[in-house]
Amino acid sequence: SAVISQKPSRDICQRGTSLTIQCQVDSQVTMMFWYRQQPGQSLTLIATANQGSEATYESGFVIDKFPISRPNLTFSTLTVSNMSPEDSSIYLCSAYRDRQETQYFGPGTRLLVL
Amino acid sequence: AQKITQTQPGMFVQEKEAVTLDCTYDTSDQSYGLFWYKQPSSGEMIFLIYQGSYDEQNATEGRYSLNFQKARKSANLVISASQLGDSAMYFCAMREAGGSYIPTFGRGTSLIVHP
Repeated sequence: SAVISQKPSRDICQRGTSLTIQCQVDSQVTMMFWYRQQPGQSLTLIATANQGSEATYESGFVIDKFPISRPNLTFSTLTVSNMSPEDSSIYLCSAYRDRQETQYFGPGTRLLVL
Repeated sequence: AQKITQTQPGMFVQEKEAVTLDCTYDTSDQSYGLFWYKQPSSGEMIFLIYQGSYDEQNATEGRYSLNFQKARKSANLVISASQLGDSAMYFCAMREAGGSYIPTFGRGTSLIVHP
């Protein structure tokens, strides 16, 4: 199994500021993902974090708003830029080593934007 | 169209009884995987059970079993002997070859276990 940690676990931010969330996996993984979960909703995929290249964003999400880095096979960051109250959500990092394997999640980052 | 459908927004069960959470899926791929996750109020996503499309046996993990009916495209989660700690949101998810193995999640079912 893979153990995934995220920092920060929660934060309260002011409108217009940016927050960078870090995701660390305890072993090399093939695929890393970033999800958003708005209150009372299911998980929505923001993007697939690609090692050494630009992330692949889902419809409705853009790089200027959610820049993502993945410098190696165990680490990724998601930045939520120019935040508004609508960005208040849980942000979850997820990963799996290969397509036959279970997908694991980090503990999530609870973000509240005032 | 929804790839994963969970029709039960909320379920209630008495402690120590069994409960079935429904999940149907839509795919034209032959190769896919189905997952169930539990999300307690803390927000973490806890992996429960996995079923591969080529697996002939239903998956089981302790008190969790997956009732996999391939022809009906259903993958229901059965929790036996419910415990108070089972109260949580439960999400069904699928990864399919045609979707580049990027997972899709259902809307979730809220389970409340009564003492």
